[in-house]
Amino acid sequence: GQQVMQIPQYQHVQEGEDFTTYCNSSTTLSNIQWYKQRPGGHPVFLIQLVKSGEVKKQKRLTFQFGEAKKNSSLHITATQTTDVGTYFCAGQGGSEKLVFGKGTKLTVNP
Amino acid sequence: NAGVTQTPKFRVLKTGQSMTLLCAQDMNHEYMYWYRQDPGMGLRLIHYSVGEGTTAKGEVPDGYNVSRLKKQNFLLGLESAAPSQTSVYFCASSQSTYSGANVLTFGAGSRLTVL
Repeated sequence: GQQVMQIPQYQHVQEGEDFTTYCNSSTTLSNIQWYKQRPGGHPVFLIQLVKSGEVKKQKRLTFQFGEAKKNSSLHITATQTTDVGTYFCAGQGGSEKLVFGKGTKLTVNP
Repeated sequence: NAGVTQTPKFRVLKTGQSMTLLCAQDMNHEYMYWYRQDPGMGLRLIHYSVGEGTTAKGEVPDGYNVSRLKKQNFLLGLESAAPSQTSVYFCASSQSTYSGANVLTFGAGSRLTVL
């Protein structure tokens, strides 16, 4: 079945440093979503990418969808303490279900 | 709007006891899902429903049952709880599975401990 791998599992940065998490699917995706889960909270939708090579930005966050629609990345520029949490990608391929990566837990040292 | 509401938020069970987690959504979403979250394992789909009266198995369905008698409610049952079912459970809903309408709205979670 479809598998979504996400790396790294953990990332610790100093405030102001950049951060990137990567997501790779075993199959071609129709779309990919990104979610953020704050410590003790629930996943909250950030963005969805649909088109090959698509790039979207939300303030300091940049999301990319690969040309082959099998990989994606989330890049945060100049991290802040408010960025702490776990970032999940979720891909939808041929089946109707979203498949989540295991997430990247980001900690930021002030 | 409340979105997705889960009850209870916390529960401690003894091995072998049964319980039901309730999920209610007020967005008129067709699809509803139950996930469990364990450290380092991400979100794993237990069961899901594509509409009132229908349910289907997800990735880790063993030991759980579900029912969707009303469109707005999705119940997750544990008939005989085991320590391996200690986890945080999230309910989610989506309008459909088509791109753009397949965004998940999650509830706040239910933390279950089985002793």
